[in-house]
Amino acid sequence: EPEVTQTPSHQVTQMGQEVILRCVPISNHLYFYWYRQILGQKVEFLVSFYNNEISEKSEIFDDQFSVERPDGSNFTLKIRSTKLEDSAMYFCASSEARRPQYFGPGTRLTVL
Amino acid sequence: AQSVTQLDSHVSVSEGTPVLLRCNYSSSYSPSLFWYVQHPNKGLQLLLKYTSAATLVKGINGFEAEFKKSETSFHLTKPSAHMSDAAEYFCVVSGPNTDKLIFGTGTRLQVFP
Repeated sequence: EPEVTQTPSHQVTQMGQEVILRCVPISNHLYFYWYRQILGQKVEFLVSFYNNEISEKSEIFDDQFSVERPDGSNFTLKIRSTKLEDSAMYFCASSEARRPQYFGPGTRLTVL
Repeated sequence: AQSVTQLDSHVSVSEGTPVLLRCNYSSSYSPSLFWYVQHPNKGLQLLLKYTSAATLVKGINGFEAEFKKSETSFHLTKPSAHMSDAAEYFCVVSGPNTDKLIFGTGTRLQVFP
């Protein structure tokens, strides 16, 4: 069964550094998403992406965040200058027709 | 605004007994509702979805949920728990004009032998 994959599974970085989290969505899916879950808190929507542009974003998704689909298979989330409060589990999801969304296993980001 | 409330943060059952995980939703529109499950160190797996068709929805692994508009509820049930059902379960709502999924706080299900 096709799955969303994410790399790395765990990323440790220093505050102020840039990180790129990578996702490979399910191959025939057209809609792509990023969510995050800070430890002990709810899963929160960050951004949705369709037809090579952002279709919706949350208040969390400020100028330090960006998304890109650099080729036909990868979908990336870049955090330009990481802060301590960016430490969280980041989930990528994809969907064929907006819903339902299928999630990857997540990348745990630790900012020191 | 849309939201979901999962009424129990932890539920413990014995193997072979029924499971009930409670969820109430709030939505200005006719909602789409989902249950996702997260096993330890795994991603979020879709269990089932309600999108305004039949009110009783069957999902994977013997789970089902019933959409009750009058009670604004979407409780998840299973007749007989299995050890492998131990995981975190999330009730999720979405509206018609948004891609955003809104998650509940989760219910951790423990299954004892």
